[in-house]
This record gives sequence, C-alpha cells and structure tokens, in this order.
Amino acid sequence: DAGVIQSPRHEVTEMGQEVTLRCKPISGHNSLFWYRQTMMRGLELLIYFNNNVPIDDSGMPEDRFSAKMPNASFSTLKIQPSEPRDSAVYFCASRPSLGNTGELFFGEGSRLTVL
Amino acid sequence: AQSVTQLGSHVSVSEGALVLLRCNYSSSVPPYLFWYVQYPNQGLQLLLKYTTGATLVKGINGFEAEFKKSETSFHLTKPSAHMSDAAEYFCAVSLGETSYDKVIFGPGTSLSVIP
Repeated sequence: DAGVIQSPRHEVTEMGQEVTLRCKPISGHNSLFWYRQTMMRGLELLIYFNNNVPIDDSGMPEDRFSAKMPNASFSTLKIQPSEPRDSAVYFCASRPSLGNTGELFFGEGSRLTVL
Repeated sequence: AQSVTQLGSHVSVSEGALVLLRCNYSSSVPPYLFWYVQYPNQGLQLLLKYTTGATLVKGINGFEAEFKKSETSFHLTKPSAHMSDAAEYFCAVSLGETSYDKVIFGPGTSLSVIP
C-alpha cells in the first residue's frame, strides 16, 4: 500500500512568493496532521483535521499560513507571502479512526528553503 | 495540556553498549506514549507505543520502553547498540486514540553510535 505522499520534496523560493505544499494521506485514514520541523523548535504541530474538518489550528504561526482539506484524499498547506524564517521541513501524517492504535504515519516531508 | 521533555539533545554510545534515551511527560490524564525514529532525510516511523496494560513494551529493532506513572517517564532502552541505530529519536504523547486527539512530540534526541 502507498504511504503518505507529499509534494514537492524540495522547494526553493524567494521571499514574498506563495508556497503550496501538498499531501495525500493513506486511503481510509480519517485524521491528517501537518507538522513543521526546524533545528530550533523541533517538531511543531501546525494543524490537524478529522474527517476533513480542522480540529485545532492553534499551532499555525500566523495568518500567512493556511491549510485546507477539500476531500479525504488531499490536503494543502499554503504560505503567502513566504519569509526566510519559514524555511523548514514540513511533514504530513495521517491516522485511521477505525482500528486506531494511535500511531501516526508520516510522509517523507517537504523541505522548504525561502531565500 | 500535555507536554514532553527529552533529557539530552545528543547521546553518544559505543557499539555494543547500552542505549538509554530519556523521556518525561506531563498530562492531566493517563496518556498514550510513543517513541518514533527518524533517519536522515526521512519521515518518522513508530518504534513502539504504550496505550494500556503491560508497562514494559517492546518495539522494533530490539528497543523497549517502560511506562512509569509515578515518575511520569517513558525511557527508551536497547541492550546493545548497533551502528544502524544512529538516528533521531522522538518521544510523543497523546491523550488517547480517538480521532480528536493531537499528538505532541518532544524535542528529540540525536543518537550517535561510535564504532
């Protein structure tokens, strides 16, 4: 079975540009999480969804960040405008509801560099 | 709110030596606890988890962890380190296994194994 798929794997952009990161969760998983990983702050939970509905977005750093989940198989994390301090690895993870053991399944991440 | 601390951002051990990575948590209710491992340029994968029942849990690659409620700890151990164990290790906590429970990660511990 395919795991969590994230794209792009690497993104280099200039300050002020819009960045869109994409995630396809594992089929049948009802919860989706977006994390940001940096050396300084470690793994930060940005937002998570259950059944396509945002449950907690308190980790979203500011209004420049937005996330959507239009259907069960797709989510986006958008940064507009991007800034150098947004440079990080962004991870998407999914989790099933039925037979849930609490485990998160992670994608391989999107490494963002904002110049 | 739950939180996780990991003592030691970097741990070095000799090949064949005991591995001990420390994790303490705070939670208002009995939590679910996890250890994840991250290899370079990859996402996180589950090593082991504690939900209920036996407090000593065994995971993949010879790792195990013991839940000690009185000490609010969930330390990770492996009797004999292998070179392939070099990676970043994250302790995580969740209040439960429902779809509405978020997962909070500790800052991580980087494990180096010296030949």
